[in-house]
Amino acid sequence: AQSVAQPEDQVNVAEGNPLTVKCTYSVSGNPYLFWYVQYPNRGLQFLLKYITGDNLVKGSYGFEAEFNKSQTSFHLKKPSALVSDSALYFCAYPRNTGGFKTIFGAGTRLFVKA
Amino acid sequence: DAGVTQSPTHLIKTRGQHVTLRCSPISGHKSVSWYQQVLGQGPQFIFQYYEKEERGRGNFPDRFSARQFPNYSSELNVNALLLGDSALYLCASSSGQGAGEKLFFGSGTQLSVL
Repeated sequence: AQSVAQPEDQVNVAEGNPLTVKCTYSVSGNPYLFWYVQYPNRGLQFLLKYITGDNLVKGSYGFEAEFNKSQTSFHLKKPSALVSDSALYFCAYPRNTGGFKTIFGAGTRLFVKA
Repeated sequence: DAGVTQSPTHLIKTRGQHVTLRCSPISGHKSVSWYQQVLGQGPQFIFQYYEKEERGRGNFPDRFSARQFPNYSSELNVNALLLGDSALYLCASSSGQGAGEKLFFGSGTQLSVL
């Protein structure tokens, strides 16, 4: 079945250190892939997307993600973590149903310690 | 411009009751999608509407229904509530319905079924 997977329930990183939140995909063809972030008691916010072109995608708040076709991965990265980056992160892809329904991964909780 | 607005923000119901959740998309957005997010999980797709027509339906029972009005606002209705319907219900809008469209989410309606 076509899906995205986030292998880590939680990631802990110290402020100022680089962070990586992992996502792998099982989608046929050339997938569109997204990252969204959810802060406490809030809806989801769009961070970035990969459609085609450069494998390194830059997004909001200094985040970037690298599309790797050979490893079927789309990991989210940031060179220097902030305490305010602590949130729930979701990898997602749109599945064609006539319209498009966005399928979300289970989420990874990021804790950035001061 | 206002973002996606959802009402009510919180709701407590008892088993067997009916509930109506409301969503107003960003001005100019013609697509509205509904998601259910159970604590600790990623959002699960329920419905997508575009130009007042249903374009996608997730794996939810017929107790769940929705509609989109001429002004593109939307309602999600759930009949015969079960305890398992307790969740955060998220509405998202987008300008179109293509695969590359990013979703703009409201803050959600927290439904508790007792």
